[in-house]
Amino acid sequence: QLVLTQSPSASASLGASVRLTCTLSSGHTSYAIAWHQQQPEKGPRYLMKLNSDGSHSKGNGIPDRFSGSSSGAERYLTISSLQSDDEADYYCQTWGTDYGVFGGGTKVTVL
Amino acid sequence: EVQLVESGGVVVQPGGSLRLSCAASGFSFDDYTMHWVRQAPGKGLEWVSLIIWDGGSTFYADSVKGRFTISRDNSKNSLYLQMNSLRPEDSAFYYCAKGSRIFGEYYFDYWGQGTLVTVSS
Repeated sequence: QLVLTQSPSASASLGASVRLTCTLSSGHTSYAIAWHQQQPEKGPRYLMKLNSDGSHSKGNGIPDRFSGSSSGAERYLTISSLQSDDEADYYCQTWGTDYGVFGGGTKVTVL
Repeated sequence: EVQLVESGGVVVQPGGSLRLSCAASGFSFDDYTMHWVRQAPGKGLEWVSLIIWDGGSTFYADSVKGRFTISRDNSKNSLYLQMNSLRPEDSAFYYCAKGSRIFGEYYFDYWGQGTLVTVSS
């Protein structure tokens, strides 16, 4: 079964960096994923598609502060130079042959 | 500029029906897979359904299979979701999302602002 696992919460200080992790279930460790951001009371926004080799393609207008990397079953989203409006929920998402699946989301708090 | 604008969300009684619409602009609509994704208030995102560029293939989450029908009208750059036999647990914001032009690659690079469906008596 294709499952994505995310920690429920993360926090870091203004101006610091935070790394979020999305873990693919066993047997699916080569899958690509996408990262999406959802600020409070807003619809989601696509950040990037992240491949198993760490290559990624970002959405239009996504700052360089957002970067992605991969290691085995793990897919990472690193946010550098944290700003107050980075406080949001971050979801990873992947897909099977005929469906999509989301991780549970990580709520990022900027201290 | 890509825009996706959903409409049709209302309060409906359990067992009722509803049709959501999504008006797309700013891209070649008939080249892309399109999706519906929902989010119950205070909860995470749940993929609901997808339709490939020509409507030839459609897929559904188990939670809605047999009750919801996704469709598209490429002449009108529009996506639809017909929702029947609605249940309280279908209450959510429903988002239209633009997918990939590559068959079998199902991620979303643009989202609408969402429309709220409430199923309640």
